[in-house]
Amino acid sequence: DADVTQTPRNRITKTGKRIMLECSQTKGHDRMYWYRQDPGLGLRLIYYSFDVKDINKGEISDGYSVSRQAQAKFSLSLESAIPNQTALYFCATSHRDRGTDTQYFGPGTRLTVL
Amino acid sequence: GQNIDQPTEMTATEGAIVQINCTYQTSGFNGLFWYQQHAGEAPTFLSYNVLDGLEEKGRFSSFLSRSKGYSYLLLKELQMKDSASYLCAAGGYNKLIFGAGTRLAVHP
Repeated sequence: DADVTQTPRNRITKTGKRIMLECSQTKGHDRMYWYRQDPGLGLRLIYYSFDVKDINKGEISDGYSVSRQAQAKFSLSLESAIPNQTALYFCATSHRDRGTDTQYFGPGTRLTVL
Repeated sequence: GQNIDQPTEMTATEGAIVQINCTYQTSGFNGLFWYQQHAGEAPTFLSYNVLDGLEEKGRFSSFLSRSKGYSYLLLKELQMKDSASYLCAAGGYNKLIFGAGTRLAVHP
């Protein structure tokens, strides 16, 4: 089984709809992240969480919200989807160990907003 | 400011060696990561450098110069399956700043 899973893997929705993307991990990591990837722009951080009670905005948090339901679960919501939120979304996890903090990524969710 | 620069595209021949360069500027730098990403798939971790010098791991090696804000990923004995994007990411203040990635095409 994959260590980091994301659901759904693909989603097509309409402008104005509320969407939730879910991420679960079995790696036992305390840190979780949400990124979006657009062609030519690389990965951009939306939100990150270092434990269940710690939520932080990334560089592009406007239009998004998150919930850390448990150490292993971190969900991303688009309250009212718009077309420029069409992108590939990745969840990642990490654990700080002896100075390193390597992030491991889920398989991604391809979201299309019409 | 924070910035990561790497070439957009590179091509190379199967069996050859290719070097992908990355320059970075970040606050609170605490290491340089390289990831490989095949089209439509998740990035996968390749290497991490925090000290100056070369780290070798099989066919892949990564180099870091902190004073120059410079790193490179060296891929030897290229194989067709190495065709992918290679992402440079600088660690700083508990976050990673990613470059846009270098798309490498390996030809027979």
